[in-house]
Amino acid sequence: DAGVIQSPRHEVTEMGQEVTLRCKPISGHNSLFWYRQTMMRGLELLIYFNNNVPIDDSGMPEDRFSAKMPNASFSTLKIQPSEPRDSAVYFCASRILPGQGNPAFFGQGTRLTVV
Amino acid sequence: LAKTTQPISMDSYEGQEVNITCSHNNIATNDYITWYQQFPSQGPRFIIQGYKTKVTNEVASLFIPADRKSSTLSLPRVSLSDTAVYYCLRDTGRRALTFGSGTRLQVQP
Repeated sequence: DAGVIQSPRHEVTEMGQEVTLRCKPISGHNSLFWYRQTMMRGLELLIYFNNNVPIDDSGMPEDRFSAKMPNASFSTLKIQPSEPRDSAVYFCASRILPGQGNPAFFGQGTRLTVV
Repeated sequence: LAKTTQPISMDSYEGQEVNITCSHNNIATNDYITWYQQFPSQGPRFIIQGYKTKVTNEVASLFIPADRKSSTLSLPRVSLSDTAVYYCLRDTGRRALTFGSGTRLQVQP
């Protein structure tokens, strides 16, 4: 298996532009997570899905952020409009439910820079 | 929140055994303890997971006492490439994994 695949690996955009990050979970995994990592705040959970259904989006910073999982093999995280403070590394992870005994596997991340 | 407490940083030398202890006083009956490793510019990588007693794999050992209020990750004979951040997490199952600040391990030659 290729693991969790995220694209793009790097994204540089101007403030105010729309940004879409993509994630392909490991085949057969039915739980998917989006995290954001910065030096100041560490690794923060943004949202997670179980069986394609959003379970907890309380970590989404504000309405500018939205996430979708239209099917079991694809998820997107969209920021519109983007701001410089959104600059961070965004990670996607997936695992098999139920979670106990089944670890999560992370993608390589997308490094987002908003100028 | 599934909170754990671990040292902010640790230093070691190549060839030594490193033990990182994590406290999880409020662990629930169904929780597993899971450890992740993260290198700069990479996503966290699963190392080891356990419920109680001792678990060993090719990378590390995990010791969990009977009361399960703490756990110890043991890395035998560390090398420079083991320099990373190590996260201890309580895995509650169907909820998301909550990461703390982790332990920054620096291995010196």
